[in-house]
Formats: sequence, C-alpha cells, structure tokens
Amino acid sequence: SQTIHQWPATLVQPVGSPLSLECTVEGTSNPNLYWYRQAAGRGLQLLFYSVGIGQISSEVPQNLSASRPQDRQFILSSKKLLLSDSGFYLCAWSVLEGGNSPLHFGNGTRLTVT
Amino acid sequence: GQQLNQSPQSMFIQEGEDVSMNCTSSSIFNTWLWYKQDPGEGPVLLIALYKAGELTSNGRLTAQFGITRKDSFLNISASIPSDVGIYFCAGQGSGGSNYKLTFGKGTLLTVNP
Repeated sequence: SQTIHQWPATLVQPVGSPLSLECTVEGTSNPNLYWYRQAAGRGLQLLFYSVGIGQISSEVPQNLSASRPQDRQFILSSKKLLLSDSGFYLCAWSVLEGGNSPLHFGNGTRLTVT
Repeated sequence: GQQLNQSPQSMFIQEGEDVSMNCTSSSIFNTWLWYKQDPGEGPVLLIALYKAGELTSNGRLTAQFGITRKDSFLNISASIPSDVGIYFCAGQGSGGSNYKLTFGKGTLLTVNP
C-alpha cells in the first residue's frame, strides 16, 4: 500500500532563515505531487504541483520554491522566511487510475516564523 | 477560476443527531471528493464520487454527486464525538486540470456528547 511521509511535524524558524520541508511517497511510481498551505482560516491553497521529476508548476507567486529531485521526493524551500510564511504545510500525492486521481495527504508540518 | 461554496461553515450538534453539508460550484466537475481533517493532521479521504447522480456510502457517511455535476452533499447519520473535525469537499476537473483539486473552505463540526 502507498504511504506518504512528511517531516518535520513542527518547526519554529526566525525571520530571514532558510527553510526545507521534505515529503516522500512509498508504494507507487510516478505520482503527481503537491504542496498545499493551510492558513488559520482553514482554506487549502495549492502552492506547487509536479507531474514528474524536475517538473514543477507554481500556482501562486510567493517566497517559496519547490523541487523534485527524485520520483517520489518533493521538497519545499525558502532562502529567507517571512512572517507571512507561517502556516500548516501539507504534501499530497495522486496517481491517475482509470481517469480518476483523488489526492492523499501527509500529516503536515506546522511552521511558525518568529 | 473555479470556486466551491461549502455550507454551513460550522455546525454544533448533539451526539446522535444527523448532519448534512453541501458544496456547490459554478463549474462542472468530473469528480467530487469529501475529506475529513482532525486537528493537527492532514485531510483524509472519506468518499470519492465519479459519476453524476452517484450515491455512495461509507459506514454512517453518505455522499451524492449532483446530477448537474455542480454540487454534492455529505450526510452523517447518528453522529458520535469522534466525528468532530473539519470536512472539506473538493472538485476535480478533466483534461489538462484533472490532477488539481478545487477545495471548499470546510465545515467545522462539533459534536456535544
């Protein structure tokens, strides 16, 4: 069965420091991968998605970047964090099967920028 | 872009009561999904709907894909305290956008024992 691992679970970083959040998926090949951010208001905002190694699409302009160095690895980064980068970051995967591809989420990383 | 209107935003109910929430869209979706999110965790897929008019159950949960493909509802029967959480609907398009979901803003459910 497929599993998704996301770490760290919580992170407190000062403004201006770099960021690296990692997500890996096991049990499947060539998944679509996603990074979402969930603000306190509950909405889920798609930040990046990737349909293959080295292929990254950005949904919103921001202080963050994403990379996919391996098939089942997705990394969210920042060179210098802003206070507004605080939030709950969720990684997700999907695999197209029969035309359908529901997303499956990791347990998230709670990022607090101080 | 596509938007989903999810209602109600929050619900406070007594244990044992039934719950109903829904989502409507201005656009047609090919797939409707319902997720539940417990505090501090990622959303978990509850029910996936792939055909207009489809009615699917998962234990005490029942969801339907509206015949117009622009709406969906989720019902929870005989609620229990562990049903507490945020419920999200999500729509999925087709063609070039079939890998992206549009999420509703969620329904926060509180169940009083």
